[in-house]
Amino acid sequence: ELKVEQNPLFLSMQEGKNYTIYCNYSTTSDRLYWYRQDPGKSLESLFVLLSNGAVKQEGRLMASLDTKARLSTLHITAAVHDLSATYFCAVDRDNDYKLSFGAGTTVTVRA
Amino acid sequence: DTAVSQTPKYLVTQMGNDKSIKCEQNLGHDTMYWYKQDSKKFLKIMFSYNNKELIINETVPNRFSPKSPDKAHLNLHINSLELGDSAVYFCASSRRRLAGVQETQYFGPGTRLLVL
Repeated sequence: ELKVEQNPLFLSMQEGKNYTIYCNYSTTSDRLYWYRQDPGKSLESLFVLLSNGAVKQEGRLMASLDTKARLSTLHITAAVHDLSATYFCAVDRDNDYKLSFGAGTTVTVRA
Repeated sequence: DTAVSQTPKYLVTQMGNDKSIKCEQNLGHDTMYWYKQDSKKFLKIMFSYNNKELIINETVPNRFSPKSPDKAHLNLHINSLELGDSAVYFCASSRRRLAGVQETQYFGPGTRLLVL
């Protein structure tokens, strides 16, 4: 069974500082997704990473994928309050429509 | 304009009742999913349909029965509701993966089910 582990599970950020969320998974996969969920809301797609070495950036968020290490990182630059949310990584396998989600990282940005 | 919609958004009901949740997508996708998110925010897939055919059926009590009348709709019927069924149920949709093309799953707003 594919396992996806995120850490940390909770992250208290100070505004203006940089942080990283890690996502490890247990089987080979070239497809990794990052989603954001605000409290009481749906999941919003942030990034889709499709190959080893893929890097994508949007605003203060940057995601990367190392398929050999089975590791993705979500880097937050100069955290601001509106980045407070829960961030999920998810992985799927070849010929498998199933997304296996990590437990989520709940981010709180404080002044 | 809503891409993936669900009804109802909130559902409060008594144990033992039967209820249904409906999902519709207007994205032209051919694959739809039901996920359950528990109180700890853990997300787990329950079912998936591709072109009205059931392709994923995870270990879910048979009190849960999905139905897909067409590619744009996927409903979830739950019989004999139990306290442990309280959760948020998300519908999602995506386009079937072609060789080298990966499609993101788009999620609906969720249905918050509370069983008393």
